[in-house]
Amino acid sequence: DTEVTQTPKHLVMGMTNKKSLKCEQHMGHRAMYWYKQKAKKPPELMFVYSYEKLSINESVPSRFSPECPNSSLLNLHLHALQPEDSALYLCASSQDGRGSMGYTFGSGTRLTVV
Amino acid sequence: AQSVTQPDIHITVSEGASLELRCNYSYGATPYLFWYVQSPGQGLQLLLKYFSGDTLVQGIKGFEAEFKRSQSSFNLRKPSVHWSDAAEYFCAVGAGNNAGNMLTFGGGTRLMVKP
Repeated sequence: DTEVTQTPKHLVMGMTNKKSLKCEQHMGHRAMYWYKQKAKKPPELMFVYSYEKLSINESVPSRFSPECPNSSLLNLHLHALQPEDSALYLCASSQDGRGSMGYTFGSGTRLTVV
Repeated sequence: AQSVTQPDIHITVSEGASLELRCNYSYGATPYLFWYVQSPGQGLQLLLKYFSGDTLVQGIKGFEAEFKRSQSSFNLRKPSVHWSDAAEYFCAVGAGNNAGNMLTFGGGTRLMVKP
């Protein structure tokens, strides 16, 4: 298995909803990442988990809450989002925390906040 | 902090023509360098990567890139472009330490292919 799987592929949520994005990999990678990508822009790093510990939080608002239950799973819990949070959310993984063997990206979750 | 610049926002080439996409990076040491391709609404696919060693690296889909330390560049090339190569291309630099690594992307270059 050489993939990063993200679910759901599309999500529409209201500003008062609570939802979660899920990311899964079975490559034995020990670092996992959340990126946010707005239309026609490059991905921007949100969070890094290295060996299941949060190692980087790029000053992301608290309405985004990451969770890494085990080495294969990464969740992003969403609460009280704003319309400007609508974006493509990409999950990635790498073999180690240094990314020395490259990064594998999932296909993303297209999030629309209404 | 590291940064990546892709000077060309849009490039249009004819099918069968050669292609070069430019990438310049800023980082204090030798970085990990990557090229990714993204089709509309899709995730990112790794084309190739450079960590060390031979400065000319071969990737998938007939792409190659050359690392030039003196110019802080990592340009992507393809000798003959196919219509299916139309997409957004991102150069990225990976840097950090064992506590956490960051992959920083350039602004992207949108490639359009004329028949």
